[in-house]
Amino acid sequence: GAGVSQSPSNKVTEKGKDVELRCDPISGHTALYWYRQSLGQGLEFLIYFQGNSAPDKSGLPSDRFSAERTGGSVSTLTIQRTQQEDSAVYLCASSLPGANYGYTFGSGTRLTVV
Amino acid sequence: GDSVTQMEGPVTLSEEAFLTINCTYTATGYPSLFWYVQYPGEGLQLLLKATKADDKGSNKGFEATYRKETTSFHLEKGSVQVSDSAVYFCALSDRDNAGNMLTFGGGTRLMVKP
Repeated sequence: GAGVSQSPSNKVTEKGKDVELRCDPISGHTALYWYRQSLGQGLEFLIYFQGNSAPDKSGLPSDRFSAERTGGSVSTLTIQRTQQEDSAVYLCASSLPGANYGYTFGSGTRLTVV
Repeated sequence: GDSVTQMEGPVTLSEEAFLTINCTYTATGYPSLFWYVQYPGEGLQLLLKATKADDKGSNKGFEATYRKETTSFHLEKGSVQVSDSAVYFCALSDRDNAGNMLTFGGGTRLMVKP
């Protein structure tokens, strides 16, 4: 597609429920990244994919968080047994290979756990 | 490891004032440098970039020059507008870093008053 698409744009869920966040990257972008941004805070790296594999999962905050990517395209970030501290904006980005390109970000999913 | 340090905000200016947001970096390799902007309620957008020493990136009246000798990439604009109110992130991508990961600064909030 023309840009990075994330869905849903907003999600309100009850504490303890599972949620799935979706990211559809730009066609041809082999790298995909997930970040979290809490209110008024900077960017917290979660995980990145090169193709379908995730060489760096170091940022996932707990084992309640997991992510997958299929077909080198769409990625899903799953949060199990959500907690109130999971409330944040989850940003996805994709990029071409190479250090000069930077990322293209989606508009994010605002997750609110009540 | 790589790191990016930005001046803390918020930065509050009157319309038509001169803007400087300082950014310095440390990197093990030879990085590319970026400025991203995040308008309220939106994802991050690439504002400008520079890929080698002495390069000047520019866009929408903003400029930043890659200074290898001072490891800096300060963002400047000669005359800010209310519509420039946003959070600005400095970032680097190190060619020696697997996955071309971006390392972000903490962000600087700019508020422009009419």
